[in-house]
Amino acid sequence: NFMLTQPHSVSESPGKTVTISCTRSSGSIVSNFVQWYQQRPGGAPTIVIYEDNERPSGVPDRFSGSIDRSSNSASLTISGLKIEDEADYYCQSYDSITWVFGGGTKLTVL
Amino acid sequence: EVQLLESGGVLVQPGGSLRLSCAVSGFTPSSFAMTWVRQAPGKGLEWVATVGESGASTYYADSVKGRFSISRDNSKNTLYLQMISLRAEDTGLYYCARHSSNWGSFDFWGQGTLVTVSS
Repeated sequence: NFMLTQPHSVSESPGKTVTISCTRSSGSIVSNFVQWYQQRPGGAPTIVIYEDNERPSGVPDRFSGSIDRSSNSASLTISGLKIEDEADYYCQSYDSITWVFGGGTKLTVL
Repeated sequence: EVQLLESGGVLVQPGGSLRLSCAVSGFTPSSFAMTWVRQAPGKGLEWVATVGESGASTYYADSVKGRFSISRDNSKNTLYLQMISLRAEDTGLYYCARHSSNWGSFDFWGQGTLVTVSS
């Protein structure tokens, strides 16, 4: 099985842009789609990006996803940061019949 | 509106057993695979088990294989997780979630039910 590695934490100011990375340990990042979930304090996860770069209805276009084959990684970019974006973010992918989450990144907006 | 409501989480002793339930509404259960994901206190998300649309196919994380059993009753709109031989490391918030139509992601989540394994 593969692992997904994320930075433990990132911080940025309101109005700025932040990017969170997610690196796949083995196998190609393009083998299976990558998803991103937001988990606010005390809340359940909600999906913000699916299939690498698609946004569910209701997710603002400030959220975008991308894939970088050269680094075997996926990224979540949030532009025009708002205080309400402060949360934990998890990447997720799968391989055959196993679903894998990254360790999570705590985003602080200060 | 899609809704998932977990129940059954309690304090249980090591070695004990427990069955979690997840009542679903707002969609046709037999059209979607379902999953359990858990989160230990202060830790990240961990996939636990998945059951296919009809209940015939099941998949488990290595950490729970042989101890947990996932099942569903589509006539009752309910998903289950039977847990035996519980360990302290099974402590956490257990979420049920609906798989997307291609099984790759989890598009709707419940609010979770807390399982505590302690003597």
